[in-house]
Amino acid sequence: GAVVSQHPSWVICKSGTSVKIECRSLDFQATTMFWYRQFPKQSLMLMATSNEGSKATYEQGVEKDKFLINHASLTLSTLTVTSAHPEDSSFYICSASAGSEDTQYFGPGTRLTVL
Amino acid sequence: AQSVTQPDIHITVSEGASLELRCNYSYGATPYLFWYVQSPGQGLQLLLKYFSGDTLVQGIKGFEAEFKRSQSSFNLRKPSVHWSDAAEYFCAVVTNDYKLSFGAGTTVTVRA
Repeated sequence: GAVVSQHPSWVICKSGTSVKIECRSLDFQATTMFWYRQFPKQSLMLMATSNEGSKATYEQGVEKDKFLINHASLTLSTLTVTSAHPEDSSFYICSASAGSEDTQYFGPGTRLTVL
Repeated sequence: AQSVTQPDIHITVSEGASLELRCNYSYGATPYLFWYVQSPGQGLQLLLKYFSGDTLVQGIKGFEAEFKRSQSSFNLRKPSVHWSDAAEYFCAVVTNDYKLSFGAGTTVTVRA
């Protein structure tokens, strides 16, 4: 149980384009989903928290217009990197929580490379 | 603010030897603590967690961790390491606003 998937697992795009990453909880309802960014050999940096049906809460320094988050259902959240630039290249990881016990279950991550 | 410290950046251990990864937390109340493992290019897998109760927690893959309030520690142990245990290990604590605060991580290398 507690499986979280991400799609795509990797993506290469041109500078200026937008990229959408999906995060799905496959066997439980996720009232809260989290989006993280991880740089090579570093820990995870929380970007935003999203609750189903409401606007995401962004961490300080994260541009909400740059990283659009939608949590339209209890099993799906999406992160759209708008007008991507090379500095947005990173490993993006989502996690999902059922909310009742605070355990976050992580997806396998998405490697974004912006050329 | 709640935080965790992983003092060891990198640990090398021989296959079959025991492993202990250190984690110290900073939190006023009883913390919710986690250990996650990350293989290269992968997401994080939950090894074990502590919310309350028995201070010795058993996890998957033969790992265990012991919560010691007096030392503000939650160290991860495994009696006999396998080559497949080579990975990055993260300790984390739940903050007041239900977010995870991660340590910097410890890289484990297993030598034959």
